[in-house]
Amino acid sequence: DQQVKQNSPSLSVQEGRISILNCDYTNSMFDYFLWYKKYPAEGPTFLISISSIKDKNEDGRFTVFLNKSAKHLSLHIVPSQPGDSAVYFCAASLLADKLIFGTGTRLQVFP
Amino acid sequence: DSGVTQTPKHLITATGQRVTLRCSPRSGDLSVYWYQQSLDQGLQFLIQYYNGEERAKGNILERFSAQQFPDLHSELNLSSLELGDSALYFCASSAGEGLAGAEQYFGPGTRLTVT
Repeated sequence: DQQVKQNSPSLSVQEGRISILNCDYTNSMFDYFLWYKKYPAEGPTFLISISSIKDKNEDGRFTVFLNKSAKHLSLHIVPSQPGDSAVYFCAASLLADKLIFGTGTRLQVFP
Repeated sequence: DSGVTQTPKHLITATGQRVTLRCSPRSGDLSVYWYQQSLDQGLQFLIQYYNGEERAKGNILERFSAQQFPDLHSELNLSSLELGDSALYFCASSAGEGLAGAEQYFGPGTRLTVT
């Protein structure tokens, strides 16, 4: 039972354009959401998070949007850079409990 | 560099064997988490320890066990290994007992191959 889903295994975007990574979840009780970025041969790195009481959080080029009614989370990267090429995982938690991760989306930013 | 170290980086062993993976958390972090990432799968939470005590359990098989020592390093023991146990095993650490807004910092992982 996959409670956190990333339905797009890969995404290719031109440098300078917007990258939009999507994530859907099934448990409406999740109260905290995070995005992690993972380069090959490295562990995931925390990118940005959002509490369920908010609908948007911004940090530089990265913005996370939360649509609770649709149980949908998205990460926007503007402008995209070649160094953003990585696998992006969304994760959700309930009451500060364990994180449940999606399967990841591989983002490739080309020149 | 996240500050979380894991050893070994790679491990190749045969079915039926037992291995131990080691993790040292970031300085000052009291929580250690273990995750398994199989091919084409997301990270599956296995278990969390906080200051030496088991705090939360995920999809951890009975053949697997973990512990956190007084110096806060942690070990994940995998026994009676099967081919399907081949995966990347990540350790993460955080400062607090739960998430409560604090992100987890991941180590580089141990790649286990069972032949």
